[in-house]
Amino acid sequence: GEDVEQSLFLSVREGDSSVINCTYTDSSSTYLYWYKQEPGAGLQLLTYIFSNMDMKQDQRLTVLLNKKDKHLSLRIADTQTGDSAIYFCAESGSSYKLIFGSGTRLLVRP
Amino acid sequence: DTAVSQTPKYLVTQMGNDKSIKCEQNLGHDTMYWYKQDSKKFLKIMFSYNNKELIINETVPNRFSPKSPDKAHLNLHINSLELGDSAVYFCASSQQSSGRETQYFGPGTRLLVL
Repeated sequence: GEDVEQSLFLSVREGDSSVINCTYTDSSSTYLYWYKQEPGAGLQLLTYIFSNMDMKQDQRLTVLLNKKDKHLSLRIADTQTGDSAIYFCAESGSSYKLIFGSGTRLLVRP
Repeated sequence: DTAVSQTPKYLVTQMGNDKSIKCEQNLGHDTMYWYKQDSKKFLKIMFSYNNKELIINETVPNRFSPKSPDKAHLNLHINSLELGDSAVYFCASSQQSSGRETQYFGPGTRLLVL
């Protein structure tokens, strides 16, 4: 079945880089997404990557995809306190729906 | 000019009651979704409608009945509410239903069943 896994928690110091990791099982995934959820808010799409790409960069965000290992990562450069949130990895598989990971709670310390 | 809106934002009700939550999108999208996020933040799809037609129906109790009067609206009616229904319910929409289009989420409806 389809499954997406993430580590639950990450703590970094302000100004450092954050790397949030995700693994997925569905090899037919076409797109992989990163969503951000701030406290008490909905999900905000941060970025996505097409499965035939290895990397995508968007300002402070870098997405790396290792399709062989089914591993996706999100790197946030120069992490700010406003980046503190829950980050969800999601895949669109063969069943026309998004499968979400459990979310990684990022805490940025001043 | 909110893209995906939900009402109400908060809903507190007694066990056994029937309640509805509403969702509207002004993006001109064809597909809308309902997700449930539990207390551990785990997010799971419940339903999806494409052009008013049900296309995804996960194993959700039949106390939950979605209704799409038009492609810009997707409502969720819940009968005989139970304690375990307490969660945040998110509506989302996308251009099409292939699963490859970006989904845009509403702000969520926080349901608490007492």
